[in-house]
Amino acid sequence: EPEVTQTPSHQVTQMGQEVILRCVPISNHLYFYWYRQILGQKVEFLVSFYNNEISEKSEIFDDQFSVERPDGSNFTLKIRSTKLEDSAMYFCASSQLRYEQFFGPGTRLTVL
Amino acid sequence: AQSVTQLGSHVSVSEGALVLLRCNYSSSVPPYLFWYVQYPNQGLQLLLKYTSAATLVKGINGFEAEFKKSETSFHLTKPSAHMSDAAEYFCAVSEATGANNLFFGTGTRLTVIP
Repeated sequence: EPEVTQTPSHQVTQMGQEVILRCVPISNHLYFYWYRQILGQKVEFLVSFYNNEISEKSEIFDDQFSVERPDGSNFTLKIRSTKLEDSAMYFCASSQLRYEQFFGPGTRLTVL
Repeated sequence: AQSVTQLGSHVSVSEGALVLLRCNYSSSVPPYLFWYVQYPNQGLQLLLKYTSAATLVKGINGFEAEFKKSETSFHLTKPSAHMSDAAEYFCAVSEATGANNLFFGTGTRLTVIP
């Protein structure tokens, strides 16, 4: 069964460093998303991406964040200058139909 | 704007007992509603979804949920709990029109007592 994959599973970085989280969505899906879950809190929407552009973003998704689909298969989330409060589990999701999203296993980001 | 409230951050049931996890939503437009399950150290798995068809929705692993517009609820039930049902359950809502990003509740951790 096709699934969304994410790498790495765990990323440790120093505050102020740039990180890139990678996702490979399911191959025939058209809509892509990033969510995050700070430890002990709810899952929060960050950004959605369709037709090679951002379709919607939340207040969390400020200028420090960017997304890219560089090669038609990968979908990346970049954080330019990480802060302590960026420590969270980051989930990638994709969907073929607009209302059924499939989630990856997540990348745990730890900012020291 | 959409939001979800899950009553009870922790629910414990005995094996074989009824599981009831509560979810109430707020939406200014017709909603789509979802239940996701998260097992330890894993991602979110879709259990079931409501997309304006039948109000009683059946999902995987014997779970079902009923959309009640008058009560703005979408409670998740299972007649008989199994040990393997122990996990975190998230209710989520999205708009039926326009953007479809998900708004999640805070989750309910289900413990099944043998």
